[in-house]
Amino acid sequence: DMKVTQMPRYLIKRMGENVLLECGQDMSHETMYWYRQDPGLGLQLIYISYDVDSNSEGDIPKGYRVSRKKREHFSLILDSAKTNQTSVYFCASSGGRNTEVFFGKGTRLTVV
Amino acid sequence: QQQVRQSPQSLTVWEGETAILNCSYEDSTFNYFPWYQQFPGEGPALLISIRSVSDKKEDGRFTIFFNKREKKLSLHITDSQPGDSATYFCAARHDSGYNKLTFGKGTVLLVSP
Repeated sequence: DMKVTQMPRYLIKRMGENVLLECGQDMSHETMYWYRQDPGLGLQLIYISYDVDSNSEGDIPKGYRVSRKKREHFSLILDSAKTNQTSVYFCASSGGRNTEVFFGKGTRLTVV
Repeated sequence: QQQVRQSPQSLTVWEGETAILNCSYEDSTFNYFPWYQQFPGEGPALLISIRSVSDKKEDGRFTIFFNKREKKLSLHITDSQPGDSATYFCAARHDSGYNKLTFGKGTVLLVSP
């Protein structure tokens, strides 16, 4: 069963705290992504990872960093979270060029 | 500059009617256009897609019409069902882009019984 798993599903953090969002996939996909989704704004690409330790900024990378030490695992890190980073974060993966992109169920992050 | 635009923002149709969701894009190098369907509390899931070499793609009740010259496409959902109520995202990419999708802001579809 092909799956992208995100943990946790819901998270509340105080402004200034560090945040770690985890994502795993069981499809041995090379490429993984982090998107954020805000009401009325669609999905915006934060980072893309082409393989282990091969990461590239997306359209809105400021305030975020990522880590990919194993092909099946991709983390999004917010150092000193800000209230404007309150959003739903989606992890996704794909098998390579020109293949379907699979999304996880999302993590709803609230920064207070 | 918004690369992919969708209209309308929201749409309500009656059960059995045809829903038409519109999408346009700026980058003429885009050549692959997937539509994603998203239910509340879930991630987007691929519904149907089309490449720019085609002008139409059908999959059951879902059809994409594509006009390359005008850089427009539309998703038609015939015989709409309440279970089709969801947010629909149009996305685009070019094949050299390592699967970097650019998404529109979405259309919220409500199908009333």
